[in-house]
Amino acid sequence: GDKVKQSPSALSLQEGTNSALRCNFSIAATTVQWFLQNPRGSLINLFYLVPGTKENGRLKSAFDSKESYSTLHIRDAQLEDSGTYFCAAEDNTGKLTFGDGTVLTVKP
Amino acid sequence: EAAVTQSPRNKVAVTGGKVTLSCNQTNNHNNMYWYRQDTGHGLRLIHYSYGAGSTEKGDIPDGYKASRPSQENFSLILELATPSQTSVYFCASGPGQPNERLFFGHGTKLSVL
Repeated sequence: GDKVKQSPSALSLQEGTNSALRCNFSIAATTVQWFLQNPRGSLINLFYLVPGTKENGRLKSAFDSKESYSTLHIRDAQLEDSGTYFCAAEDNTGKLTFGDGTVLTVKP
Repeated sequence: EAAVTQSPRNKVAVTGGKVTLSCNQTNNHNNMYWYRQDTGHGLRLIHYSYGAGSTEKGDIPDGYKASRPSQENFSLILELATPSQTSVYFCASGPGQPNERLFFGHGTKLSVL
């Protein structure tokens, strides 16, 4: 979408490598969430962020509200990391706006 | 882990027919949401609710109504379904401010013929 822009739109990784996904906001985001939509279609909440960073296993996410962006770093990519990653920004009314997603394919 | 259950999982409807999509959450969350997802796009907000008896319009409410009869249940209603409403619909719940982390159901695939 226009308010939340994700990049890249698609990404192919070799198993075991690292990468980063990015989300830029044109709204005043107060919090950010990252989701993984797996090949079955389920949406899994990966991170809920106020400005700062969080880490969970091989995933690390950062949110800079002043510069209006968030990143999701994937370390040592595994086949099961494949899917579509969405970021969503919450504005000061509490409404969440989603980006169009990054399609990640991890290859053996 | 939060539990949000949608029914049905798949639905085929005829143009002009009435469709009701149901969502139940067992987490005692205040807020519930209905989104639609179209191929190659993110989720767009249709309606949401702050609690039983409350419904609010999201970004694309036209052609849809919502009902929140209880804390646990939130329905999306298409009174006169159209082919443009063919989509995958997701329900979500969240505890409300200050930590509105959302949990989603598995989605309902709706085809309007």
